[in-house]
Amino acid sequence: GEDVEQSLFLSVREGDSSVINCTYTDSSSTYLYWYKQEPGAGLQLLTYIFSNMDMKQDQRLTVLLNKKDKHLSLRIADTQTGDSAIYFCAESPSGGSYIPTFGRGTSLIVHP
Amino acid sequence: GAVVSQHPSWVICKSGTSVKIECRSLDFQATTMFWYRQFPKQSLMLMATSNEGSKATYEQGVEKDKFLINHASLTLSTLTVTSAHPEDSSFYICSARGQPSNYGYTFGSGTRLTVV
Repeated sequence: GEDVEQSLFLSVREGDSSVINCTYTDSSSTYLYWYKQEPGAGLQLLTYIFSNMDMKQDQRLTVLLNKKDKHLSLRIADTQTGDSAIYFCAESPSGGSYIPTFGRGTSLIVHP
Repeated sequence: GAVVSQHPSWVICKSGTSVKIECRSLDFQATTMFWYRQFPKQSLMLMATSNEGSKATYEQGVEKDKFLINHASLTLSTLTVTSAHPEDSSFYICSARGQPSNYGYTFGSGTRLTVV
């Protein structure tokens, strides 16, 4: 079955870079997503990457995909306190079903 | 961008009563909507998928008679928790996929249900 794994916690100092890692098992994954959830709120799509890409950059966010190892990472440059949130990795397989499978989320804590 | 409005954001109800949660797509037509449940420090658990005008498809282990889903229009889906019990207390989140399918899912802001 599909499985998406993330570490549960990451603590960084303000101004440093944060790297959140994710591994998945479904080799037919076509779309890979990063979502951000602030306390008491829904999920906000941060960025996504197609499986035929190995990198995508969007301002402070860099997504790296190693399809061979089924490893996805999200790097946040110059991390700010407002980046403190839970970050979910998700993947969608190709084919008829597009329902994403979510990891358990990584809680990012940014301290001064 | 696509916006999904979920209402109410929080609700407290007595055990045995029913609660309705609404999910509206504000600026796009949502042919498919999804309902998730999130337990503390856990990921999203997909409860059901609803397509406009047809019956919802429930995930294994989710009681369809307890969690009633209606998707009567392209912009509105509702989840009714019937005869709520304290163990139904949770954070419920809806998401919607528009037409044509976009690459990401737009999520509502979630509803915190507390059953006392």
